[in-house]
Amino acid sequence: RKEVEQDPGPFNVPEGATVAFNCTYSNSASQSFFWYRQDCRKEPKLLMSVYSSGNEDGRFTAQLNRASQYISLLIRDSKLSDSATYLCVVRGYSGGGADGLTFGKGTHLIIQP
Amino acid sequence: DTAVSQTPKYLVTQMGNDKSIKCEQNLGHDTMYWYKQDSKKFLKIMFSYNNKELIINETVPNRFSPKSPDKAHLNLHINSLELGDSAVYFCASSLGRGYTFGSGTRLTVV
Repeated sequence: RKEVEQDPGPFNVPEGATVAFNCTYSNSASQSFFWYRQDCRKEPKLLMSVYSSGNEDGRFTAQLNRASQYISLLIRDSKLSDSATYLCVVRGYSGGGADGLTFGKGTHLIIQP
Repeated sequence: DTAVSQTPKYLVTQMGNDKSIKCEQNLGHDTMYWYKQDSKKFLKIMFSYNNKELIINETVPNRFSPKSPDKAHLNLHINSLELGDSAVYFCASSLGRGYTFGSGTRLTVV
């Protein structure tokens, strides 16, 4: 079983639509959870941390369900600039020690005008 | 000012060669890392290192060795390069929850 699993897509979504991604993780001892964004041929950049209580940053909402080991990301009113690969990331205790990040393979999002 | 800088940005080399990639961070972070992103875009940790402990992902061949002259630098040395080593290598650093990636080194082995 992969440690962090996500649907690779691509998701083709019209501009202005709402789109949701999710991922599951296998290590119940994981401590921290994130969504990263990676543009083509660039480094991954932190989009937002994910908390059990849910958290929102502008048009982006993230949610963590520890019992189901499930993480979600919702993007409202999508913009052309949201086109990227979204990486579900779990931190801790997986090949790289307590601080190493374990990445999902990413979900490719394409916003269409 | 670049927070995590890697050199070179691109590296093309022949099979069997030995090469190094350099990484420097000016953030005062205490832990540095190397990640590999293969042709399928899968990002995977190779090493994490602070001045006390080196943690190696067991899947990394021993041809790869990190070298840290000081807290601000973590270089990656690769011996006897193979075609399968072609990938983008990202350096990163962290302190607490903050985590910053370099812009990557695209290695092509021919």
